[in-house]
Amino acid sequence: KAGVTQTPRYLIKTRGQQVTLSCSPISGHRSVSWYQQTPGQGLQFLFEYFSETQRNKGNFPGRFSGRQFSNSRSEMNVSTLELGDSALYLCASSLVSGPAETQYFGPGTRLLVL
Amino acid sequence: SQQGEEDPQALSIQEGENATMNCSYKTSINNLQWYRQNSGRGLVHLILIRSNEREKHSGRLRVTLDTSKKSSSLLITASRAADTASYFCATAGHKAGTALIFGKGTTLSVSS
Repeated sequence: KAGVTQTPRYLIKTRGQQVTLSCSPISGHRSVSWYQQTPGQGLQFLFEYFSETQRNKGNFPGRFSGRQFSNSRSEMNVSTLELGDSALYLCASSLVSGPAETQYFGPGTRLLVL
Repeated sequence: SQQGEEDPQALSIQEGENATMNCSYKTSINNLQWYRQNSGRGLVHLILIRSNEREKHSGRLRVTLDTSKKSSSLLITASRAADTASYFCATAGHKAGTALIFGKGTTLSVSS
């Protein structure tokens, strides 16, 4: 079975621009979660989507949004980029939504905002 | 905000030695999980221990959980150079959904 894939792997943007990142979960997995990883703040939960509905949301501004499609693929969007948005963005999929579900992480998208 | 805090932040050992990492957390949990990350890449799930379990083993990994102290430890026995990575504990709460709260991690370096 193919693992979680994320595209693009690397991205360079300038302040004020917007960006869309994509995540394809493992086949059959219906839950997709997004995390931001920075050296200063570590790994922080952004949001989770399950069956096209946002299930949980972390403490991030409204500039961060996401969605999930009927095939469980997910996208996250960051509008009006700031320098502090430079990070590794990781998505993770699990079979269903639940606290004891094993999450399988993708390789991440490294975003650099200049 | 971080739920888990790992200790130590960095650990350097020789191949064949054991490595112990500790994690403390603040609130009640459903379970605690350990992940490994190699060089800023994706995370790999290692082991999950539920709040009603005290110890769990998986290969060379041994995890303990003390809910009264809100702490967990990960022991890697007979370390190998390939174990060089960052290790994170993550806690899952009781509400619905799959959100994990991660600690800042322990960087393990195993030299041959």
